[in-house]
Amino acid sequence: GQNIDQPTEMTATEGAIVQINCTYQTSGFNGLFWYQQHAGEAPTFLSYNVLDGLEEKGRFSSFLSRSKGYSYLLLKELQMKDSASYLCAVRDSNYQLIWGAGTKLIIKP
Amino acid sequence: NAGVTQTPKFRILKIGQSMTLQCTQDMNHNYMYWYRQDPGMGLKLIYYSVGAGITDKGEVPNGYNVSRSTTEDFPLRLELAAPSQTSVYFCASSLPGLTYEQYFGPGTRLTVT
Repeated sequence: GQNIDQPTEMTATEGAIVQINCTYQTSGFNGLFWYQQHAGEAPTFLSYNVLDGLEEKGRFSSFLSRSKGYSYLLLKELQMKDSASYLCAVRDSNYQLIWGAGTKLIIKP
Repeated sequence: NAGVTQTPKFRILKIGQSMTLQCTQDMNHNYMYWYRQDPGMGLKLIYYSVGAGITDKGEVPNGYNVSRSTTEDFPLRLELAAPSQTSVYFCASSLPGLTYEQYFGPGTRLTVT
């Protein structure tokens, strides 16, 4: 079966750095996406990785290791508005997105 | 651009009733999707479409139907609503191609009692 694992919840302090991990087992791999979802709102796109390595975009970075079936999202200089759920999704061999359950990130002052 | 719009925002249905969730996008995207999101679960794909007149089943299509008569509209029909269909429904759209992200509508929160 296909499976994407993320921690259910994480807590971090304003101004700090947090790393959210995602491991996946899917039938094929055609890219990995990270989305942010604030409570009661729609997911919004953060990043896309298809090759191994780090993609940096402002305060957010995403890393991929295809051989390990592993990705992480790194958030720097945390702000209160970063309190949200972070969803990892993998595009499988049928080109459909398989979604993790999301990691709820709580930022404390 | 309004992006992806969905109506209604909230709806309560009785068991056995039917309804249509509306979805419209104004970005001229070929690809459109319907997902459901249950608490503590990942998004599940219900149906998708790669263009007007073309639809296909996703992971959880039972109890739902779709149509795609225009590029802009992709309505989702629920027939004979059941409590198991209580969920938040998201419509999304994207350009064709593997690297393009999906843009989501604001969602419809549906309760079946």
